[in-house]
This record gives sequence, C-alpha cells and structure tokens, in this order.
Amino acid sequence: NAGVMQNPRHLVRRRGQEARLRCSPMKGHSHVYWYRQLPEEGLKFMVYLQKENIIDESGMPKERFSAEFPKEGPSILRIQQVVRGDSAAYFCASSAHENTEAFFGQGTRLTVV
Amino acid sequence: GDSVTQMEGPVTLSEEAFLTINCTYTATGYPSLFWYVQYPGEGLQLLLKATKADDKGSNKGFEATYRKETTSFHLEKGSVQVSDSAVYFCALSLESSASKIIFGSGTRLSIRP
Repeated sequence: NAGVMQNPRHLVRRRGQEARLRCSPMKGHSHVYWYRQLPEEGLKFMVYLQKENIIDESGMPKERFSAEFPKEGPSILRIQQVVRGDSAAYFCASSAHENTEAFFGQGTRLTVV
Repeated sequence: GDSVTQMEGPVTLSEEAFLTINCTYTATGYPSLFWYVQYPGEGLQLLLKATKADDKGSNKGFEATYRKETTSFHLEKGSVQVSDSAVYFCALSLESSASKIIFGSGTRLSIRP
C-alpha cells in the first residue's frame, strides 16, 4: 500500500506564475489535509477536504490560494500569482476517517524567485 | 492561543549518546501530545503519542512523558544511532481530527558515527 504521494517534490516558480501542487492520498483514504511550513516555523494547517467538499479552510489565505479534491484524481493545492512569501514546504496528509491517524506525504518545496 | 515550543536545532550527537529534545506547550484544554519524525526524503511519521497526563508514549527506543505540571513532553532516547538522524516535530491536538494538529518548528538531529 503506497503512502501519501506528493508531486512535484521541488517546484520553482517566478513571481506572478501559478503553482499547482498535487497530493494522492493513501488507498482507501477520503480525507485530505494540507499544511504549510514556512522557514524556521512549524507546520500550519491550511485546509481539510473530503472528496469534492471543503470541510475546513480556516487556515487558507483568502486570496490566491485554492484547493480541490475531485471525485477522481489527486487533491490539488493551487496558488495563483505567487509571491516570494509563498516559498515554503507544503505537506499533504490523508486519513480514512476524520478521527483516525493521518499519514503525511514527503512534501513539496516551493521556491518563488 | 495554543502553541508548541521545542528545542532549536540542529542537534549533533555521537552514536550511543543520550538524547533529549525539549518540548513545552500552551493549551487552553487538555491536549493529546505527539512526536512526529521526518527521515531524509520521507514524509512525517507519527513516532509516539500520549493522550493524558502522566502517560508515557514509547516507540523505537524513544520515550516521552506527558507532564501536565510543567506542560512538557520531552523526547528521550538512551542510546542514539546514526539511523535516528532526522527532523523531529513535537505537536499537540485538542481534538482528534488531523485538521487540529498544532506543530512545533522541528528539531534537526544529526548523529555522528
């Protein structure tokens, strides 16, 4: 059973471009969570999705950031018009149910130049 | 608000040395406490956890005791190995959902042969 797969592992974007980060949850998991780790800080919750629904987006910046988890395919975290401050490691986790253990992916390291 | 503070790294030790990574927390209620580990090139993995005061979590030779009086959850291991080199994250959660986990900033541990 493969773990949570995130790609790409590293992504470089110029200011103003769009970044798309993908997360394939573990088989059988329908709950996905995105976290962001800024330099020298801990991981901070961004958004929680369950197949086609956003359950909690309280940690998501109000502008330029969006997330989806379609019926088929991976979850996507999309950042439009990236700025230098978006440079961070973005982690995805998945769980079978809301209150069961979540398993994390390797993360995508986004660098905005 | 709720938060986790952990020892800054990097921490470098020789093989077979005793390890302590300090972690203290601030929480309005009675949280569950966790240590996650991220080995090079891998995702975060749950290392151990404790759900109430005086509980001791243990795994792979690591231990941490939930100390309510000092609001601490220090990670210890009696004899570290090179394979323990990783980044260690202390975390708390007041609810069982993965969307409610609050992480510390991580401590990078390097073990010299």
